[in-house]
Amino acid sequence: DAKTTQPNSMESNEEEPVHLPCNHSTISGTDYIHWYRQLPSQGPEYVIHGLTSNVNNRMASLAIAEDRKSSTLILHRATLRDAAVYYCILSSPYNTDKLIFGTGTRLQVFP
Amino acid sequence: GAVVSQHPSWVICKSGTSVKIECRSLDFQATTMFWYRQFPKQSLMLMATSNEGSKATYEQGVEKDKFLINHASLTLSTLTVTSAHPEDSSFYICSARRTSGNHTQYFGPGTRLTVL
Repeated sequence: DAKTTQPNSMESNEEEPVHLPCNHSTISGTDYIHWYRQLPSQGPEYVIHGLTSNVNNRMASLAIAEDRKSSTLILHRATLRDAAVYYCILSSPYNTDKLIFGTGTRLQVFP
Repeated sequence: GAVVSQHPSWVICKSGTSVKIECRSLDFQATTMFWYRQFPKQSLMLMATSNEGSKATYEQGVEKDKFLINHASLTLSTLTVTSAHPEDSSFYICSARRTSGNHTQYFGPGTRLTVL
């Protein structure tokens, strides 16, 4: 399973943009890049996913490097409710799409 | 949206008893469901992959006879923790992947198991 590397923690102020980096240098051509976030005592929440092109949805944007060895989750305006652990995960449809969670990035948002 | 529910949300049981946890996809069909557990201050650990109508595939180190998984329909998978012991106390989370469409998994809210 291809691994990802994320910073342990990051901080942001409310209403500022947040860029959460993820390195995945061993990514294969069929691996999708997924981002989930988890609040305490809750199941993970889907944020966004992509394969090669940048992606936007109502929650966030995903910027994928041209060589696909890294990606960045962008929260355009952080709110207090965005404080969570963010996980960057690779999955392959040839491996049942199973998700192997790393340690993630704990995002703190200050008012 | 894609909603996944779990029941119960929490359970306390005596050592040696068995506990069944249900995972349902409420508004979509899921050929594949996954079971995870999470200990305090740790990340999620994948336990097994559950496929409708076939045997589950367990991750290395997970005892299949202790954690029984049944995926009898496209909307329901169950995890039974047999002869539970205090070290099985954990947060158990399921996820479901749509039968068709994208490759996204949707997670349930989790079940907190405490074994006394």
